[in-house]
Amino acid sequence: NAGVTQTPKFRILKIGQSMTLQCAQDMNHNYMYWYRQDPGMGLKLIYYSVGAGITDKGEVPNGYNVSRSTTEDFPLRLELAAPSQTSVYFCASSEGQGAINSPLHFGNGTRLTVT
Amino acid sequence: QKEVEQDPGPLSVPEGAIVSLNCTYSNSAFQYFMWYRQYSRKGPELLMYTYSSGNKEDGRFTAQVDKSSKYISLFIRDSQPSDSATYLCAMLEGGSEKLVFGKGTKLTVNP
Repeated sequence: NAGVTQTPKFRILKIGQSMTLQCAQDMNHNYMYWYRQDPGMGLKLIYYSVGAGITDKGEVPNGYNVSRSTTEDFPLRLELAAPSQTSVYFCASSEGQGAINSPLHFGNGTRLTVT
Repeated sequence: QKEVEQDPGPLSVPEGAIVSLNCTYSNSAFQYFMWYRQYSRKGPELLMYTYSSGNKEDGRFTAQVDKSSKYISLFIRDSQPSDSATYLCAMLEGGSEKLVFGKGTKLTVNP
């Protein structure tokens, strides 16, 4: 049981490039989330999904896109990378009614630098 | 005023000390309060979860919520070097899926 797996672990992008951050969970959780964590700034919610085919914006969605075609996978897409998107990105999942009834299970993050 | 305020520290204590970590908040609609622990280069993991005012104890950890003062605390008794991590408070409105996190407090427990 791997939990939440994020790939890649590290990535350096040039300004204007695009990439997809992958996230997969094997716990059959309906709820999945993408957060970014900047130094000293806590975690900010980018997008979340309550089930396959359903996604919604979080606090900081600009510059990102998501899709949820299966229960297991929740990729995050950066279309035109900007230096402001330099951050550590965490994917998380939970069961039941999201954070109220169950904890968030986090992956170990993708460290992205845009130069 | 930010929704959730948390002193980022860093906080350094000797082994065996009692540690007090705190968050304040401004949103009266928050009903659920959590503490997550994050080791370096890892994702956060849930440490404590509370609903409503009062205390909740789990081993060396005690979570305290005072809704009237909009103030939550996490106490660590007999702190150990393995407790060295960043501790993030998190809060949730009823019916919402959007956890609001504090900035985190970095704790170091020195042997």
